[in-house]
Amino acid sequence: DGGITQSPKYLFRKEGQNVTLSCEQNLNHDAMYWYRQDPGQGLRLIYYSQIVNDFQKGDIAEGYSVSREKKESFPLTVTSAQKNPTAFYLCASSIRGSHSPLHFGNGTRLTVT
Amino acid sequence: AQKITQTQPGMFVQEKEAVTLDCTYDTSDPSYGLFWYKQPSSGEMIFLIYQGSYDQQNATEGRYSLNFQKARKSANLVISASQLGDSAMYFCAMRGARGNYKLTFGKGTLLTVNP
Repeated sequence: DGGITQSPKYLFRKEGQNVTLSCEQNLNHDAMYWYRQDPGQGLRLIYYSQIVNDFQKGDIAEGYSVSREKKESFPLTVTSAQKNPTAFYLCASSIRGSHSPLHFGNGTRLTVT
Repeated sequence: AQKITQTQPGMFVQEKEAVTLDCTYDTSDPSYGLFWYKQPSSGEMIFLIYQGSYDQQNATEGRYSLNFQKARKSANLVISASQLGDSAMYFCAMRGARGNYKLTFGKGTLLTVNP
């Protein structure tokens, strides 16, 4: 079955450490997205990529970095510069440049202490 | 800029009754898409229904329908015959060309279905 895989489901890190969240899709979608969700809040866009080797900052990119070396993969690194990294992170993909819906992974819950 | 407003932080409905979740939006895009997603407590985002800005008829998907009023910039979700499994967060979202096709979300409405 086609879909988006995020791993791991739960992640724990010490403050000051960088951590990379994995996102893989086999839907053959060009566009991929990373969203952050805080308790009781909507989703806020961190980074997005419309095509391989290209990506753009979303609304809250500070303290995060991404790469898009393969169509299937869009890993997100939460750096030590991110002041409040504890959150639920959702990866999504879609057909590029269209109004089609985004398909989401099941998310990674990151806790930094 | 695109903006989605959901004014109901929480809603309650009796099982088997219908409920309307409100959504208003703001955009300068002449062409855009409106979406509703459901997020159960497990966290996954489930796509429910889509409405295109040029669609003449309101979208329907099973028990879900979208009450689209373009002039009022509203896209309310109607759930008919509520079930206990409908209890979840519901998010309204939109995407358009001028927003570079990013999906912009509202803050969500927590729906609780009572038996």
